[in-house]
Parts: sequence; C-alpha cells; structure tokens
Amino acid sequence: DAGVTQSPTHLIKTRGQQVTLRCSPKSGHDTVSWYQQALGQGPQFIFQYYEEEERQRGNFPDRFSGHQFPNYSSELNVNALLLGDSALYLCASSWTGGRTGELFFGEGSRLTVL
Amino acid sequence: SQKIEQNSEALNIQEGKTATLTCNYTNYSPAYLQWYRQDPGRGPVFLLLIRENEKEKRKERLKVTFDTTLKQSLFHITASQPADSATYLCALDGNYGQNFVFGPGTRLSVLP
Repeated sequence: DAGVTQSPTHLIKTRGQQVTLRCSPKSGHDTVSWYQQALGQGPQFIFQYYEEEERQRGNFPDRFSGHQFPNYSSELNVNALLLGDSALYLCASSWTGGRTGELFFGEGSRLTVL
Repeated sequence: SQKIEQNSEALNIQEGKTATLTCNYTNYSPAYLQWYRQDPGRGPVFLLLIRENEKEKRKERLKVTFDTTLKQSLFHITASQPADSATYLCALDGNYGQNFVFGPGTRLSVLP
C-alpha cells in the first residue's frame, strides 16, 4: 500500500515564476491538506481539499491556489514566486470518516526560489 | 491570537534517560492533540493522539499527558535511545477536526 507521494522532490525557480506541486494521497483517503514548512519551523497550514473543493484555508495569499481531482489527488500552485516562498511543501492525506484525524504526510517538495 | 509553544528549540539528553517535551497553547480549546516525529528532510510521522477528556496515553516507550486547565501537553520518551533523535512536533486540531495547527517543534538529541 503506497503512502502519500509527492512530486517533484526538489525544484529551483526564480522570482516571479509559477510552480505546480503534485500529491497522491494514501489509498482510501479522501482529504488532502497542504502545509508549508520553512527551515527550523513547524508546518503552516495552507489549505485543505475535500470532494474537489477547498474546505478550509490558512493565512496565505491568493497566489497560493490548489485543486483536487476526482481520484483525490491534488495540486498546489504558487504564482509570482517570492524569495520567502522557499520552503518544504508537505502534502498530508486523511480520511474524513477517521476518528483520530491522523495525518499521513508525504516526504515533501523542497522549493528554492532564487 | 492563537499560539502554540514548545519548550525549547533543542533538548540534549543522555541515552537511557527520560526525555520530556512540553507543548503549551493559548487561545485554543482543542478537542484533541497529536504528537509527530520528523526526521531531517522527511515528512512528519504520527506518533500519538490524546483527547481532551483523556489525562494520559501510552504507547510502548512513549507517554503523553494533556492538561486542558494548564493548556499543556507533556510528551515523554522513556529509556531514550540515539535512534529517538529527531524533531518532535505537537499539533492541535482547528476547525472541523482535520485542520491541524503545528507547534514549532523541539529538536531532541539523545547522546550515547
């Protein structure tokens, strides 16, 4: 049973460019959440998708957008990249019917903005 | 505003001792709290969950307590081993029970 997979694992962009990150949730999971983790800090919640809709959003600008597909996979898009967007982007999946709300994380996509 | 603090950025202990990590929060009323382990360059891995009506939870060498009056959770690793060296994150549930807010983490080093 494959866990959460993310791609790409590493990427380098320049300021002003746009980036798309991808996530496939753990089998049986229907909810995908995205987190941004700067070096030395805890993950910060970006948004959560369920049934192909954004269910909740953290304190991130509209430059951050996402999508969830019918197979529950998800994309995170960031436009007009800033240096401060350099971080590890984590995707976490979960099952709405779960009692614990345990999040299963992927290994992340390391984004460097030059 | 809502805030989560973890006792220190880094904690060094000798192998075999008990490591105690602290998670304090303000302006939250979480229904439950989770602890995760994160190794460098990897995603966090779930360890334990404790609900607001539970005082203590154990799993092998791990123990978590949850005091909603003090707004604090303690995470203990007994008989610590160098393999326990990692960053430990506490997370509190936000709205809908699935939006978790993470603390900054504590980096634990267990010295042989």
